[in-house]
Order: sequence, then C-alpha cells, then structure tokens
Amino acid sequence: QKEVEQDPGPLSVPEGAIVSLNCTYSNSAFQYFMWYRQYSRKGPELLMYTYSSGNKEDGRFTAQVDKSSKYISLFIRDSQPSDSATYLCAMPAANNLFFGTGTRLTVIP
Amino acid sequence: NAGVMQNPRHLVRRRGQEARLRCSPMKGHSHVYWYRQLPEEGLKFMVYLQKENIIDESGMPKERFSAEFPKEGPSILRIQQVVRGDSAAYFCASSSALSTGSGANVLTFGAGSRLTVL
Repeated sequence: QKEVEQDPGPLSVPEGAIVSLNCTYSNSAFQYFMWYRQYSRKGPELLMYTYSSGNKEDGRFTAQVDKSSKYISLFIRDSQPSDSATYLCAMPAANNLFFGTGTRLTVIP
Repeated sequence: NAGVMQNPRHLVRRRGQEARLRCSPMKGHSHVYWYRQLPEEGLKFMVYLQKENIIDESGMPKERFSAEFPKEGPSILRIQQVVRGDSAAYFCASSSALSTGSGANVLTFGAGSRLTVL
C-alpha cells in the first residue's frame, strides 16, 4: 500500500467552478499535510499546509484534513485558468516528504 | 534571493555515459534533498544531505547513483553508466534547519533537471 494515494485525474472544469482535490494516506503518524502546485516543466511550489485536523483558508484555497478518515482535501473557489497545473499532496515524516502522484487540473476559460 | 538553482535544465546522454546534476540551495538553507519524477508518477525521495554528510539515502538505487554536498559548492547527483530507465526529471529541494526541526519540513524546489538517455 502506498503511503499517499491521489487520483491522477485529469480534471477539467469551467472557469469559476469550485474544484475539489483529494488524497488519502495510510500512516497515522503524519501530522502535517501539504499541498504543492506544479506548473508544466517547473518545480513544485508550496501552496499551503495544515497541522493536524481541521480547515485552513488562504484566499480562494481551503485545505481540509480529516485524520479519523485519513483523508485530506484542497478546495479552489472561483477557479481561474491560471490555476491550471498539477496539484500534489505531501506529508512529511522523518527525513522524507511523501508525495501523492498529483492531480492534473485544467480550468477552461 | 534566487531560490534553488539547478543545472543543467536539460541533459541528454547516451547509454553508458555519466550524468552530473548540480543544485545550489536557497540562501540560508543547509539541507538538500533530491527527488526523481517519472511521467505519471509522483515525486520519489532519493537522498537527503547536509553539508559534507549524507543523512538519508534510503531512496537511492544501490548501484550507479551517488550524491554529495561538499563544504563549498553545490550539491551533485551523479549517475554513472546511465540506462534508458534513468530518463526522468530530477528535482532538488532545500530547507532550513528550523523548518526541518519543526516537523513541517517545508521544502523549496528547484525547476528540475530533465535527463534523457538515448
């Protein structure tokens, strides 16, 4: 079983839609939950991260963690074409950062 | 602040040649990580280094791959006798000691080096 599972998509939505991206994980020791965004041919950049369970909001982005279900989500409100990218969830443990495979999102104008 | 700098951005090698990928961490960062990304796969951890020390190389293939982070100069990922399966994007990331110690371990990534083996 992989440490982190993520539906690779691809996901296409019209501009203005609400996007929901999700990951599940198996290691109950994970305490931090991160979302990275990766544009084509670029390196991943950190969008936001949360500690333990709950919600965190940053502009149009909301990260949600449900530790009881080992399930995390990233919501994007009022999606824009500039949000088109691959979104990767990641969880640190020891010296490693465990990544999901990434979900490729396209926002259509 | 130039961020994490990787070079070369693109590298083409023939089977059996050597590939050397370089990474300069962000200013103030003393921890360097190397990840490999294959098409349709996530980022896979390879190695974690601090200056002059390999801290964790559990993700490195046992043969042909090596990494170093000397006291002076960039970190280098070296792949000897490359094979077609080594074709991938190799990303370097860095973090500060504070970030690593906090448990959050926020990594800043470079733009990657794309290796193509013919």
